[in-house]
Amino acid sequence: NAGVTQTPKFRVLKTGQSMTLLCAQDMNHEYMYWYRQDPGMGLRLIHYSVGEGTTAKGEVPDGYNVSRLKKQNFLLGLESAAPSQTSVYFCASRQIPSGYNEQFFGPGTRLTVL
Amino acid sequence: EDQVTQSPEALRLQEGESSSLNCSYTVSGLRGLFWYRQDPGKGPEFLFTLYSAGEEKEKERLKATLTKKESFLHITAPKPEDSATYLCAVQADNYGQNFVFGPGTRLSVLP
Repeated sequence: NAGVTQTPKFRVLKTGQSMTLLCAQDMNHEYMYWYRQDPGMGLRLIHYSVGEGTTAKGEVPDGYNVSRLKKQNFLLGLESAAPSQTSVYFCASRQIPSGYNEQFFGPGTRLTVL
Repeated sequence: EDQVTQSPEALRLQEGESSSLNCSYTVSGLRGLFWYRQDPGKGPEFLFTLYSAGEEKEKERLKATLTKKESFLHITAPKPEDSATYLCAVQADNYGQNFVFGPGTRLSVLP
């Protein structure tokens, strides 16, 4: 199993450009999450999904959109990138909770917006 | 206001020098507290889940404990390969199926 994969690993954008980050998981997990990680601030939740076709806003959703058309994929879109969106983005997945299961994280995408 | 804090921000130890990392939380209805390890340039890797005060979990040189207000990650006789950032996260009644992460403690173990 590959676990959680993210593409691309690195990207540089100019202000106003758009892009899509792809997250894929092969563990048949129902829940998927997008976080951003900035120095000194920990991981902050952008959007999440509790199943195919569903999405919901997290703590910092402004400027981002998401889609979960297939259970194994969770896409994060930036329609008009801003320098404040320079960050490292992590995707995570989780099984339907029986108890309170841990999240499995991808390797991250480092995004720089100039 | 719900909050998760970690201390110290950074810790430098000599190989074999035991110490503890702290995760303090102020949330209502704690459902679980999670510890992760994160190596530079990689995603967080799960270590432990603690559900109730008094619970302890161990893995190699690491031992996690939980009280009603905080959790400790004890590192016994650390080795250089234990160098990483350690993150804690909580799940609570207010968050549904989501988690709140602390900012992490950056641990360096010198040979």
